[in-house]
Amino acid sequence: TAGITQAPTSQILAAGRSMTQRCTQDMRHNAMYWYRQDLGLGLRLIHYSNTAGTTGKGEVPDGYSVSRANTDDFPLTLASAVPSQTSVYFCASSPGGPSGANVLTFGAGSRLTVL
Amino acid sequence: GQNIDQPTEMTATEGAIVQINCTYQTSGFNGLFWYQQHAGEAPTFLSYNVLDGLEEKGRFSSFLSRSKGYSYLLLKELQMKDSASYLCAVRDSDYKLSFGAGTTVTVRA
Repeated sequence: TAGITQAPTSQILAAGRSMTQRCTQDMRHNAMYWYRQDLGLGLRLIHYSNTAGTTGKGEVPDGYSVSRANTDDFPLTLASAVPSQTSVYFCASSPGGPSGANVLTFGAGSRLTVL
Repeated sequence: GQNIDQPTEMTATEGAIVQINCTYQTSGFNGLFWYQQHAGEAPTFLSYNVLDGLEEKGRFSSFLSRSKGYSYLLLKELQMKDSASYLCAVRDSDYKLSFGAGTTVTVRA
């Protein structure tokens, strides 16, 4: 089934440790996104990529980094985790470009707890 | 940036109609979206408005007024499976999508 795969699905991480969340899509979408979702705050954009080789900062980029070496993969790295990064993380993709609805397709999400 | 407001919670009875309002302020507008999110699941696309007016899709309709910065999602003939969070999202001139905090709809029997 075509879509977006996120891994891991959940993780508990000690503060100060690093981790990378993986995101892979098989829809050949140009644009990819990372959001975090916190109770009462909704989905907030961390980083995005409009096409392979380019990335941009979203609303809450501090403490996170991304790369987009190819069309399919968009990993999110936390270099030194802090408890405020405890959240549910969603990767998403869309066809990209200026025309049409460009609907986002979301991965299943990843729950991260930083202790 | 975007400022998107929607009610936190709504409750309605099975078979009834519920209207979820969304107001927004944006530095650049390029479309308004509604997503549905069941507890513990990913958001899924419901509707898209870029021009003023009503878009109807089965039991769900979405309305947009760009001059008022206002949209609503109308859910008709409510079913128990409609209990979920409904997310209003605005796309800016850079094609990034910003979300409101979501409205949790509870459908009672």
